[in-house]
Amino acid sequence: ILNVEQSPQSLHVQEGDSTNFTCSFPSSNFYALHWYRWETAKSPEALFVMTLNGDEKKKGRISATLNTKEGYSYLYIKGSQPEDSATYLCAFYNNAGNMLTFGGGTRLMVKP
Amino acid sequence: ETGVTQTPRHLVMGMTNKKSLKCEQHLGHNAMYWYKQSAKKPLELMFVYSLEERVENNSVPSRFSPECPNSSHLFLHLHTLQPEDSALYLCASSHGTGAGELFFGEGSRLTVL
Repeated sequence: ILNVEQSPQSLHVQEGDSTNFTCSFPSSNFYALHWYRWETAKSPEALFVMTLNGDEKKKGRISATLNTKEGYSYLYIKGSQPEDSATYLCAFYNNAGNMLTFGGGTRLMVKP
Repeated sequence: ETGVTQTPRHLVMGMTNKKSLKCEQHLGHNAMYWYKQSAKKPLELMFVYSLEERVENNSVPSRFSPECPNSSHLFLHLHTLQPEDSALYLCASSHGTGAGELFFGEGSRLTVL
């Protein structure tokens, strides 16, 4: 069983605050790391697919970094807005034939 | 339009009922998945189909029976479920079963009485 941990479980911030959260995964047999954003009553949507150690990806105010040697990825949101309120999921894919294993998610709530 | 459509969105059934969840994707993908989201648990993979062949069955009880008649449609047949099977069931699709991103439906919320 692959262990993918996300922290914190939930986070309340004020509009305009910048925030970040963590995804930890096994460092052996790494193949890919996904980040998804899941708004209430909607479907999860992919933010990033990251495959290389040291990868940094950016989409608007959201960015992510990847450290495959130590087994973690950070997701950053700059200047949080209420529409950023969602659950952010990471998922780990190894090269031993396993399918994507999801973490428990970080629920972000941004107060106006 | 998400590209992946699930019906019904909500389903209430008794333990002796037989019902089915349906998933349809319009993205030209050749892999489809069923995931289960229970309260306070991570998404759990249930089944994977690639090119209409089942390639993964994650020790799911036989009261859940998947069917993939073609690459665009995926069903989850439900019979004699237990109350603990109440959960959100998400369908997803992708190009192949490699590490490419998944495209999800909005889910079917199942309540078993």
